[in-house]
Amino acid sequence: QSALTQPPSASGSPGQSVTISCTGTSSDVGGYNFVSWYRQHPGKAPKLMIYEVTKRPSGVPGRFSGSKSGNTASLTVSGLQAEDEADYYCSSYAGSNNVIFGGGTKLTVL
Amino acid sequence: QVTLRESGPALVKPTQTLTLTCTFSGFSLSTSGMCVSWIRQPPGKALEWLARIDWDDDKYYSTSLKTRLTISKDTSKNQVVLTMTNMDPVDTATYYCARIVPSDLSVDYWGQGTLVTVSS
Repeated sequence: QSALTQPPSASGSPGQSVTISCTGTSSDVGGYNFVSWYRQHPGKAPKLMIYEVTKRPSGVPGRFSGSKSGNTASLTVSGLQAEDEADYYCSSYAGSNNVIFGGGTKLTVL
Repeated sequence: QVTLRESGPALVKPTQTLTLTCTFSGFSLSTSGMCVSWIRQPPGKALEWLARIDWDDDKYYSTSLKTRLTISKDTSKNQVVLTMTNMDPVDTATYYCARIVPSDLSVDYWGQGTLVTVSS
């Protein structure tokens, strides 16, 4: 399977909202409600921010929200904070017990 | 408290076999529903899922790498082992061990990762 498509970069000023897209196919993103989003700071392991398209793990701020339409999932970060500057990766179940990741988006807080 | 820690060689030569060990705590792989995966990330590049092993010893591999990968577990030691044969410089990456949420295969806990460099 090919990697999911994410924009290489995104940016916003503190307090603003930014949305990152993740485009796949009907065999992965569009076929299952199993899209996850991870935040990764430099030199650190990724952290789960969203699972099952819209759900937030305990401890993740409500500023993070997920959605999906067709073959494209989206992560919205509202009320941008300096700590949100990081790389963000989406992933999706792709059938047959396979998982694929997106290419990653570098979020810059201006 | 769930923790995972990867261990293995930092440097391997081309054509050699890589063996990585994930030692975890805070859960048991003998518990129904528990799963552990290996995921890697080349420097400056994206994440790539490699393999998964379940509590019932079912095993799953990346389609593109399945011929080179073997995953196994030692429940008594709380360890999962990944071997990758015929290593190549393109396999240089940080290798992560991760606990998997069985309902949607997301990762709820990650190890710190271990950087493996393939070079002669």
